[in-house]
Amino acid sequence: NAGVTQTPKFQVLKTGQSMTLQCAQDMNHNSMYWYRQDPGMGLRLIYYSASEGTTDKGEVPNGYNVSRLNKREFSLRLESAAPSQTSVYFCASSDWGGSTDTQYFGPGTRLTVL
Amino acid sequence: GQSLEQPSEVTAVEGAIVQINCTYQTSGFYGLSWYQQHDGGAPTFLSYNALDGLEETGRFSSFLSRSDSYGYLLLQELQMKDSASYFCAVKASGGSYIPTFGRGTSLIVHP
Repeated sequence: NAGVTQTPKFQVLKTGQSMTLQCAQDMNHNSMYWYRQDPGMGLRLIYYSASEGTTDKGEVPNGYNVSRLNKREFSLRLESAAPSQTSVYFCASSDWGGSTDTQYFGPGTRLTVL
Repeated sequence: GQSLEQPSEVTAVEGAIVQINCTYQTSGFYGLSWYQQHDGGAPTFLSYNALDGLEETGRFSSFLSRSDSYGYLLLQELQMKDSASYFCAVKASGGSYIPTFGRGTSLIVHP
């Protein structure tokens, strides 16, 4: 049982390049999330998927797109990377509507945009 | 919108007790969670309060007062390994039931 996995762990991009961050969970959770974490800013929600087949914008969606490929996988795409997107990206999953709605986080992707 | 306030940093000595406060503003409050994050690591769930009162899990306890829009995380018998960032997160209908995180409190435990 791996929990939530993310690839890659580290990435360096040049401004204007594109990339996709991959996330998968093996806990049969309905809901998945993408957050970014910047120093002193806590975790800010980019997009989420409450259930397979649905996606919704979070607090900071500009410059990103997502795909809920199936129940296990939720990817985040940067179409044209900008230095402002330098951050640590965390994927999370949860059992929507559960008694505590605990979120389980992946190890993160550390992205630098030059 | 939703907002949370928590201190940016708290320091304490090994063996002591420390309390990390969190105040929130939201509509349709549902619950308050606490997460721990070590440097370079991922956030991990610590506790959840939906009702007023104290929830205890080993050395960690979490308290909620819905009428005061306030909660705290209490860490007892502090150990060096407790040095980490601690985040409160509020779940509410005003936020589509998606947890909104505070900016985090950095806890530094000194020997």
